[in-house]
Formats: sequence, structure tokens, C-alpha cells
Amino acid sequence: EVQLVESGGGLVQPGGSLRLSCAASGFTVSSNYMNWVRQAPGKGLEWVSLIYSGGNTSYADSVKGRFTISRDNSKNTLYLQMNSLRAEDTAVFYCARGRAGGRFDYWGQGTLVTVSS
Amino acid sequence: AIQLTQSPSSLSASVGDRVTITCRASQAISSTLAWYQQKPGKAPNLMIYDASSLESGVPSRFSGSGSGTDFTLTISSLQPEDFATYYCQQFNSYPIFGGGTKVEI
Repeated sequence: EVQLVESGGGLVQPGGSLRLSCAASGFTVSSNYMNWVRQAPGKGLEWVSLIYSGGNTSYADSVKGRFTISRDNSKNTLYLQMNSLRAEDTAVFYCARGRAGGRFDYWGQGTLVTVSS
Repeated sequence: AIQLTQSPSSLSASVGDRVTITCRASQAISSTLAWYQQKPGKAPNLMIYDASSLESGVPSRFSGSGSGTDFTLTISSLQPEDFATYYCQQFNSYPIFGGGTKVEI
């Protein structure tokens, strides 16, 4: 059974850092492209970042230069390192598996990141 | 950059109603459009992919259609568990989501 479990969210001050994790089971993270998607309170879905099976990465303009996506193949885990956090980064962050055609077929339960002083 | 505009942003409907949600792209896109259902406090759930393919386990009352710039999600007979927010999504240079349509009682 495919499962994605995020962790690492919490309260952080503006300018601070946080690392999110997404532990996968039932499939191999490195064989798929993996995504981070966020949702600010009461708002819609916003794609944040992805990492392809070959290791190439892509970022939304809103996080470019501040966030870094990576994975640990030995742990079958996806990460999102978030630096220079801003109040507008406050959101629930989801990891999602990407499939052919661009659809996201499995999502984690989400982890809440709150940026506030 | 391509934008996806959903309409309406919200709608009120009753159990048994036929509901149609539209997703319009700012330029012609491939038919690799997906639709997701999201309930409060839950992660999105893939319903339709490639514009008209039903994801495994999704009830047949859901259907998708469209091509070019105009796509629709139709619920043929709304059920109580269908009250949720629906998002369209496409992957061009990067993934993009529509703004969402909230289906309310």
C-alpha cells in the first residue's frame, strides 16, 4: 500500500528555517517524480517544488533561492529545506507522488508550518 | 505562464443535482488535465486524470471532458459525500492548479 507521511512542521519565527520530511512506503521515491504542494489557511493549492527521478529539481518563483528539495534514497524519504521563512509561507505542506501526464496520485496528510513572531 | 481559471468559485446544490465545474486555461494545453476533490482538513484526492480518465475507486457519477482551453468536471447526481472543494491541475513547464470550486449544500 502506498503511503506518504509528512513531518517536521511547526512554529518558526520569520527569517528562520525548518526541514520537512516525507517518508514513503509502498513504492520507491527515487523512481518517481515527487512534489511539495502547500495550502495557506483558507486558500487554494500552490505547487512549491519537485524532484525528478534523475535528480533534477524545479521550484515555484515564490520559494526559489529559499527552499531546497532533496531525497534520501536509503531512507525512501523526501525533504524540503526551508530557509528565510516569511509569514506568507504559513501553510499546510503536502508531499505528493507525480505520475505520467502530470497528475498527483498519492498525497500525504500534510504538515502545518506557521511563520510568526 | 499558463493560468487555470475555475468557474464558478462556489456553488450551492442539492443531493441528486447534476453539477458542472469548468476549468479554463489561458492558452491551449494538452489533455493531461487532472481534477481533485478536497474535504476540509484532508489532503486532495485525485478524481480524474488525462481530462476524462476516472481514477481507480472513484464513483462513475464523476466524469471529465474537454480539450484545448476548456475542460469540465461533471457530477451526474450529487451525493452527500460530494460536498467538497474541487481543483483542476495541469503540468506544463511546472504544475499549476486552478483556484478551486467549493460545492456547498
